[in-house]
Amino acid sequence: SAVISQKPSRDICQRGTSLTIQCQVDSQVTMMFWYRQQPGQSLTLIATANQGSEATYESGFVIDKFPISRPNLTFSTLTVSNMSPEDSSIYLCSVIDHVLREQYFGPGTRLTVT
Amino acid sequence: AQTVTQSQPEMSVQEAETVTLSCTYDTSESDYYLFWYKQPPSRQMILVIRQEAYKQQNATENRFSVNFQKAAKSFSLKISDSQLGDAAMYFCAYRSASYSGAGSYQLTFGKGTKLSVIP
Repeated sequence: SAVISQKPSRDICQRGTSLTIQCQVDSQVTMMFWYRQQPGQSLTLIATANQGSEATYESGFVIDKFPISRPNLTFSTLTVSNMSPEDSSIYLCSVIDHVLREQYFGPGTRLTVT
Repeated sequence: AQTVTQSQPEMSVQEAETVTLSCTYDTSESDYYLFWYKQPPSRQMILVIRQEAYKQQNATENRFSVNFQKAAKSFSLKISDSQLGDAAMYFCAYRSASYSGAGSYQLTFGKGTKLSVIP
């Protein structure tokens, strides 16, 4: 199974600032995903990040607010821009193992916006 | 669009007993995957079990097994011999098996069931 790490594990940020979350995988993967989990809620897909192409965003999420980078097959970043308290959530990175067809998640980044 | 419904927001089970978590889904597709994920307080999403829709045999992983009823679109999780470490949020999830673009690998999650294990 893929081992995924995220940095930072948690952060408290002020309204109007931006935070970049890093996701590192221990093996090369084609597709990486970013999910948001609002307090007490389920997971919602923000975008799919493929290496070498623009990220594909789900309805309700835009690139200006959540820019994503995918410079290589083991790394991605998600930036939460111009933050507001409504952005307080856990952000999770995820990858698919195409051999096993299973999807793995990172430990998440808990973001609190004050 | 696919939807996943978990009708039990919270459940509890006595240690060493058996508990079943319910999940229903709605889809027009014939080929797909179903998953149960566990999320303990540490936040780490852990894959518990996976079921391919084309397989009639119910998946099992040690103390965890599913009852997959394709016609009824039901996918329940049974935890046998419950342990204190089983306490967590459990999410049922759906994913299409057909690829038609980047969004095809999206997991659709239910709202989760919080499982408590009583010593």
